[in-house]
Amino acid sequence: DVKVTQSSRYLVKRTGEKVFLECVQDMDHENMFWYRQDPGLGLRLIYFSYDVKMKEKGDIPEGYSVSREKKERFSLILESASTNQTSMYLCASRTTTGNTDTQYFGPGTRLTVL
Amino acid sequence: GDSVTQMEGPVTLSEEAFLTINCTYTATGYPSLFWYVQYPGEGLQLLLKATKADDKGSNKGFEATYRKETTSFHLEKGSVQVSDSAVYFCALSDRGKDGNKLVFGAGTILRVKS
Repeated sequence: DVKVTQSSRYLVKRTGEKVFLECVQDMDHENMFWYRQDPGLGLRLIYFSYDVKMKEKGDIPEGYSVSREKKERFSLILESASTNQTSMYLCASRTTTGNTDTQYFGPGTRLTVL
Repeated sequence: GDSVTQMEGPVTLSEEAFLTINCTYTATGYPSLFWYVQYPGEGLQLLLKATKADDKGSNKGFEATYRKETTSFHLEKGSVQVSDSAVYFCALSDRGKDGNKLVFGAGTILRVKS
């Protein structure tokens, strides 16, 4: 089974702090994704990565950056956290092998910025 | 751009009732369609998918049929259980030039009471 893990389930940070959210997948997937989930808005794509050291902006990249130095790890960085970044953050991965569009999700990190 | 519209919730049903959650989409081309489920405190899990018109996806008693003529992918279950209480997300795979990204609906909360 595909396993996607996220470093924290719950995180509380203060405005202005630098925040790192880590995601690790164990299935050698090429593609990885960061979403945020907010009530009534569903999931919105922040950034994604096709492969190591490759990254592309999603629909709402402002205030975020990412890093993918190793294939299994995709980090989301909030350079200076703000209260409007309080949300649930979900990481996902996907293989490009075969004809499949399925993404596999981690359990999520609920971030609160005070 | 591509988009997904789901019926608003919450949907509250008694155990053994029939479930329908409506989902319609707009897309250029021929996307794959998905239903994901999120149980309380967890990440998203793939529930079912369909990759072309008239395909029926099914899993755990849930079904959805890819209807190209009505651009719909409604989720149905004949007899719901309390354990089906969760948030359900309809999504499509945007097969753009940048690879496959998922576009999600806002999600529908389902509450099943005994």
